[in-house]
Amino acid sequence: DSGVTQTPKHLITATGQRVTLRCSPRSGDLSVYWYQQSLDQGLQFLIQYYNGEERAKGNILERFSAQQFPDLHSELNLSSLELGDSALYFCASSALMNTEAFFGQGTRLTVV
Amino acid sequence: GIQVEQSPPDLILQEGANSTLRCNFSDSVNNLQWFHQNPWGQLINLFYIPSGTKQNGRLSATTVATERYSLLYISSSQTTDSGVYFCAVEQSNNDMRFGAGTRLTVKP
Repeated sequence: DSGVTQTPKHLITATGQRVTLRCSPRSGDLSVYWYQQSLDQGLQFLIQYYNGEERAKGNILERFSAQQFPDLHSELNLSSLELGDSALYFCASSALMNTEAFFGQGTRLTVV
Repeated sequence: GIQVEQSPPDLILQEGANSTLRCNFSDSVNNLQWFHQNPWGQLINLFYIPSGTKQNGRLSATTVATERYSLLYISSSQTTDSGVYFCAVEQSNNDMRFGAGTRLTVKP
């Protein structure tokens, strides 16, 4: 167990809908990363937060947004979902910038 | 942005064989990690190794930061070693960038 908790583990939803994925980092970790992994693909960086502030942004679609709350948990919001958004979404956390990161078990999103 | 290249892309071994996986990166980094993604999709930390050499059981890793590469050694491979091995690097104030991975299959 990495100590990073992601909920839900599985999510099936219809095209056009909106979902929220949640990530609770390891206790005390300030940095949270979000990644998307499509079937048999690598990990695509979406966005990173550090102590509540956005620190880096990848190729995140405008339909996607995220935030990190004062208690350091983070949420990734995906809206106007398309079939191509079906993927495994990972959250990772690290204590500080550029320190060892640990991944949650992921949320498997299926858009039908 | 920084480029991360892993080789080989695919590797098939017989149980008991040794292997070396390579990760090349195009710029200096503050952080380098190796992960194993098992067949159930979990990403498991193997090494946090921005420089130097570390060993953990049958696995060891070496990063030569000045030459911008890292190597992951797997000795006496087992079927449970199968999966995808990822290298990830991080620069100051930048995201953690992953390579495309090496898919390892260990046959009994």
